[in-house]
Amino acid sequence: AQSVAQPEDQVNVAEGNPLTVKCTYSVSGNPYLFWYVQYPNRGLQFLLKYITGDNLVKGSYGFEAEFNKSQTSFHLKKPSALVSDSALYFCAVRPPGGNNRLAFGKGNQVVVIP
Amino acid sequence: DTGVSQDPRHKITKRGQNVTFRCDPISEHNRLYWYRQTLGQGPEFLTYFQNEAQLEKSRLLSDRFSAERPKGSFSTLEIQRTEQGDSAMYLCASSLGTSGENRETQYFGPGTRLLVL
Repeated sequence: AQSVAQPEDQVNVAEGNPLTVKCTYSVSGNPYLFWYVQYPNRGLQFLLKYITGDNLVKGSYGFEAEFNKSQTSFHLKKPSALVSDSALYFCAVRPPGGNNRLAFGKGNQVVVIP
Repeated sequence: DTGVSQDPRHKITKRGQNVTFRCDPISEHNRLYWYRQTLGQGPEFLTYFQNEAQLEKSRLLSDRFSAERPKGSFSTLEIQRTEQGDSAMYLCASSLGTSGENRETQYFGPGTRLLVL
């Protein structure tokens, strides 16, 4: 079965500093990987995905993520954090073919300090 | 706005009552998903439709839960004889069913927050 680990409960970063949110996964085969962001009392907003191709993927709002197969990681990054980036971030994985369900991590609360 | 919509946004009910939630997917999407999210956790998969066919159900979907998508457009999720443990955010998502990378992205609605007293 597929699973996702987001090891940190909360990530604090000063405004303007680089932001990294960590994600590691466990899945058979080549995974499909996703990042979503959730603001209070809202649904999830899609940020970016890795399906195939270039290991560095760029997404919405200046975010990017790097797929590292040897480390089974898909860390989310942003070069310069904004206060408005403060939210809950979820990493998700699904194996290729057949099963369409996404398996989510528990989420990371990001707090950007002005 | 042509995103996924859900109704109601909030529902408070007493234990033992039945509740029904509705999801309207993005119009050209033929895949529809239901997830449940409890406080401090990521969403957990409940069930999945392709058009009107329910193709997959999680073990989380007990006999008290039933989902339908009768015409392949909107979907309903019904919980019978609600229990306090059913309190959660219920999220709906949709995706394209065609081939290619775009079909893999699930777009989520705002969710229905259920509180069972």
